[in-house]
Amino acid sequence: DVKVTQSSRYLVKRTGEKVFLECVQDMDHENMFWYRQDPGLGLRLIYFSYDVKMKEKGDIPEGYSVSREKKERFSLILESASTNQTSMYLCASSLRGGRTEAFFGQGTRLTVV
Amino acid sequence: KQEVTQIPAALSVPEGENLVLNCSFTDSAIYNLQWFRQDPGKGLTSLLLIQSSQREQTSGRLNASLDKSSGRSTLYIAASQPGDSATYLCALRGGTNAGKSTFGDGTTLTVKP
Repeated sequence: DVKVTQSSRYLVKRTGEKVFLECVQDMDHENMFWYRQDPGLGLRLIYFSYDVKMKEKGDIPEGYSVSREKKERFSLILESASTNQTSMYLCASSLRGGRTEAFFGQGTRLTVV
Repeated sequence: KQEVTQIPAALSVPEGENLVLNCSFTDSAIYNLQWFRQDPGKGLTSLLLIQSSQREQTSGRLNASLDKSSGRSTLYIAASQPGDSATYLCALRGGTNAGKSTFGDGTTLTVKP
């Protein structure tokens, strides 16, 4: 079975902190994605990566950056956390191409106080 | 821009009932459609993937159909059980989004014992 693992289920951080959310997949997938999910707004794509060191902005990249130094790991970075970044963050991965199945991690509930 | 709508937003049924969840979309130039299940506070679990060339997929008590010409997909759940209670989301891949997924807001299903 494909496994996508996010490093934390719950995080509480202070405003202004630099926050790292880590995601690891074990199926040699080329594509990796970071979403946030908010009530009433659904899932929104923050960034995605289709290869090592490659990244593309999604729909809401402001305030975030990403890093993909190894194929299996995709990190989301909040440069200076703000309260409006309190959300559920979901990582996903898939094989290259648009016809493949996407698999999600268990989610990280981030609270910024 | 692809728009995905899931109606109803919430559904409550007695145990044992057969039910249909709906997903409609505006851009039929898709690669695939994927149905997910999400339990409260958790990540997304993939249920079924339908490629654009397919009309339906089945897994156990679940059957998903795809009609690109009308921009609709349905998820049929047979003999519902309390354990089926969750939020069900559909996601469209491809079309004008060039391989990224667009998600509906989900239907929250409650199956009463």
